[in-house]
Amino acid sequence: GIQVEQSPPDLILQEGANSTLRCNFSDSVNNLQWFHQNPWGQLINLFYIPSGTKQNGRLSATTVATERYSLLYISSSQTTDSGVYFCAAVIQGGSEKLVFGKGTKLTVNP
Amino acid sequence: DTEVTQTPKHLVMGMTNKKSLKCEQHMGHRAMYWYKQKAKKPPELMFVYSYEKLSINESVPSRFSPECPNSSLLNLHLHALQPEDSALYLCASSPQPGTSFQFFGPGTRLTVL
Repeated sequence: GIQVEQSPPDLILQEGANSTLRCNFSDSVNNLQWFHQNPWGQLINLFYIPSGTKQNGRLSATTVATERYSLLYISSSQTTDSGVYFCAAVIQGGSEKLVFGKGTKLTVNP
Repeated sequence: DTEVTQTPKHLVMGMTNKKSLKCEQHMGHRAMYWYKQKAKKPPELMFVYSYEKLSINESVPSRFSPECPNSSLLNLHLHALQPEDSALYLCASSPQPGTSFQFFGPGTRLTVL
């Protein structure tokens, strides 16, 4: 089945710093989503981005489908950005199963 | 209404109890999902309902029994669970199966004693 790999597994930043999280996937995908899971467990949708670039405030994401990777950019990080960031993908031509990467745990210190 | 709701938020049950988790969405979505998430792990798919019919069962033990009474409601019936079933149970929905954006509920944190 599809493999979804995220890097780095852990990231510690000072408030105000910028960061880039990466997601590699092994097959062509129909659906690529980025989520932020807060400390209470809520999975918050950040982006639905099977290809192209999108921006939402301090966050932006780019997916290069032909090269099978996606990047999540966080600028001017805040302590509330802390949590685990997951990317997840649905394989093209496969079932409707959304496969998650193992996540990147982000800690933003004041 | 653009959200997925789940009840209860927390549940503690014994191994001989029968309980149910409930998930509801009023966005007209035709696919609904149950995921299980253990601590420090990503969510893992359990079941998928497409147009109110079970389309994927990821080899989940029979002590978990899903039910989709209508297009807005998804239940997960629990019976004779084990302590290792303690986890966060997440429900999600999407407009169409497979290719579209999945919206997640806040989850039910289950503890089995």
